[in-house]
Amino acid sequence: AQKITQTQPGMFVQEKEAVTLDCTYDTSDQSYGLFWYKQPSSGEMIFLIYQGSYDEQNATEGRYSLNFQKARKSANLVISASQLGDSARYFCAMRATGGFKTIFGAGTRLFVKA
Amino acid sequence: DAMVIQNPRYQVTQFGKPVTLSCSQTLNHNVMYWYQQKSSQAPKLLFHYYDKDFNNEADTPDNFQSRRPNTSFCFLDIRSPGLGDAAMYLCATSNWAPINPLEQYFGPGTRLTVT
Repeated sequence: AQKITQTQPGMFVQEKEAVTLDCTYDTSDQSYGLFWYKQPSSGEMIFLIYQGSYDEQNATEGRYSLNFQKARKSANLVISASQLGDSARYFCAMRATGGFKTIFGAGTRLFVKA
Repeated sequence: DAMVIQNPRYQVTQFGKPVTLSCSQTLNHNVMYWYQQKSSQAPKLLFHYYDKDFNNEADTPDNFQSRRPNTSFCFLDIRSPGLGDAAMYLCATSNWAPINPLEQYFGPGTRLTVT
């Protein structure tokens, strides 16, 4: 069975600093994808970044980077130069290649302080 | 802009009164999903359509039904809403690919209140 664990229910970060949101996963699938989504208070889920299980390089998208450590089954999200607009809930998620069901973690609520 | 649209954004219904939530997409994706999300929890998949093929999650109550009349539209019907069905309902779309799982695009959600 697949499982996503996000151990940080809430985090604070100072504006302009970097922050790491933790995500570990468990799966018996050999090929899978890992995703991070942002959910502001408005409710919409916004796709941020994707990492394939066979990708050797860590994914980056602007201020977002994914620290992928396959042997440790971790896929941490790093947000550089935090902005007030980054305040939101962040979900780590996983889906097996060829599958339809995405498994979500419980989420981390990030608060950016001015 | 290509997008996923959900109507209405807020829906109030009475206990036991059927309600329909709608979702449309301009992305031409072949998969459409419905999720239920309760406060501060992860989204819970109710079902998905892959083209016309309907796939129900094992723990989705019979009270929840879905229709996909064409590629662009998908509906969530709640036949007899209970107080426990009050939640945010998220529609999402993606394309299915055999090689790489592709990201999902979400609509803004419909917040359902049951009185």
